[in-house]
Amino acid sequence: DAGVTQSPTHLIKTRGQQVTLRCSPKSGHDTVSWYQQALGQGPQFIFQYYEEEERQRGNFPDRFSGHQFPNYSSELNVNALLLGDSALYLCASSPEDFGLDRDTQYFGPGTRLTVL
Amino acid sequence: QQPVQSPQAVILREGEDAVINCSSSKALYSVHWYRQKHGEAPIFLMILLKGGEQKGHDKISASFNEKKQQSSLYLTASQLSYSGTYFCGTELVNRDDKIIFGKGTRLHILP
Repeated sequence: DAGVTQSPTHLIKTRGQQVTLRCSPKSGHDTVSWYQQALGQGPQFIFQYYEEEERQRGNFPDRFSGHQFPNYSSELNVNALLLGDSALYLCASSPEDFGLDRDTQYFGPGTRLTVL
Repeated sequence: QQPVQSPQAVILREGEDAVINCSSSKALYSVHWYRQKHGEAPIFLMILLKGGEQKGHDKISASFNEKKQQSSLYLTASQLSYSGTYFCGTELVNRDDKIIFGKGTRLHILP
């Protein structure tokens, strides 16, 4: 059973460029959440997708957008990159109501984005 | 609404015990504990639900005090493999399925 997968592993971009990160959820999971983790900090919630719609959103500007496909995989897009966007971007998947199932989010290995 | 973790960092010798605390100013439905090693993704340890019992496996356990909106993670007879950064994530009582993480507690175990 494959866990959460993300691509690419590493990415280097320059300021002003746009980037797309990809995530495939764990089998049986239909909800995908994206997090940004700066060095030495905890993961910061960006947004969550369920049934191809953005269901929750954290305190991130509109430059951050996403998409979820019918197979539950997801993309994170960041436009007009800033130096401060350099971070590890984590994708986490979960069943729709993980609280009741006593399940939780499972993280992928992350994409390390460096903005020069 | 970010939970507050304490202490920020702990250094222990192998075999010693540790307690990591997590507190919220909001009413919580669940608390999730993760461990992250350098350069790796966070790994799920356990979840505690509102109204749930204290949980644990092996020498790692946790409790959730609903009245105080606090959770504690207990590491007993620590092993070298316990080193890493521990994060608590909290879900509010409105059950929005959104987990907000604290800044983490760095644990270093010395041989």
